[in-house]
Amino acid sequence: GAVVSQHPSRVICKSGTSVKIECRSLDFQATTMFWYRQFPKQSLMLMATSNEGSKATYEQGVEKDKFLINHASLTLSTLTVTSAHPEDSSFYICSARSLAVRGNEQFFGPGTRLTVL
Amino acid sequence: RKEVEQDPGPFNVPEGATVAFNCTYSNSASQSFFWYRQDCRKEPKLLMSVYSSGNEDGRFTAQLNRASQYISLLIRDSKLSDSATYLCVVKPDTGRRALTFGSGTRLQVQP
Repeated sequence: GAVVSQHPSRVICKSGTSVKIECRSLDFQATTMFWYRQFPKQSLMLMATSNEGSKATYEQGVEKDKFLINHASLTLSTLTVTSAHPEDSSFYICSARSLAVRGNEQFFGPGTRLTVL
Repeated sequence: RKEVEQDPGPFNVPEGATVAFNCTYSNSASQSFFWYRQDCRKEPKLLMSVYSSGNEDGRFTAQLNRASQYISLLIRDSKLSDSATYLCVVKPDTGRRALTFGSGTRLQVQP
């Protein structure tokens, strides 16, 4: 139980294109989903927190117009990197949490590796 | 100052060795603490929670010192499969309760 999937696992795109990453909780309803980013040899950095049906809360320094988050249902959140540039190349990881599942633990997706050429 | 600080390593140890990692955190507010393990190019996985009284899970022992704002992880009888990056993680007990990750300590267990 408590499985989170991400799609795609890897994407390579040209500069200026938009990329959508999906995060799904497969066997539980996620009250909250988090989006993290990890650059090589660095820690995971929280980008934003989203609750189903409401606007995401972005961390300081994260452009909300560039990183669009949609949390349309209790099992799906999407992150769209708009007009991607090489500096957006990173490992994007989502996590999902439910008050009803294992003491409010966060469950991580397998991550999406984005490379912008 | 970073919220969570760790020695990046790498720690290169032989199989069977005992190795300890330390972590310090800057926010003294009420929080919960965890150690996660992250393999190369994979998502982090929860290794264990850290309690003030100290806790053990097999070969792994975690300690928390709230007065010094210091967390440790001890691995006994290291296995090759323990090679990974170990992340010290803090979660506030109020608010959004998002996780704050340290940059990780890399462990390489040698045969």
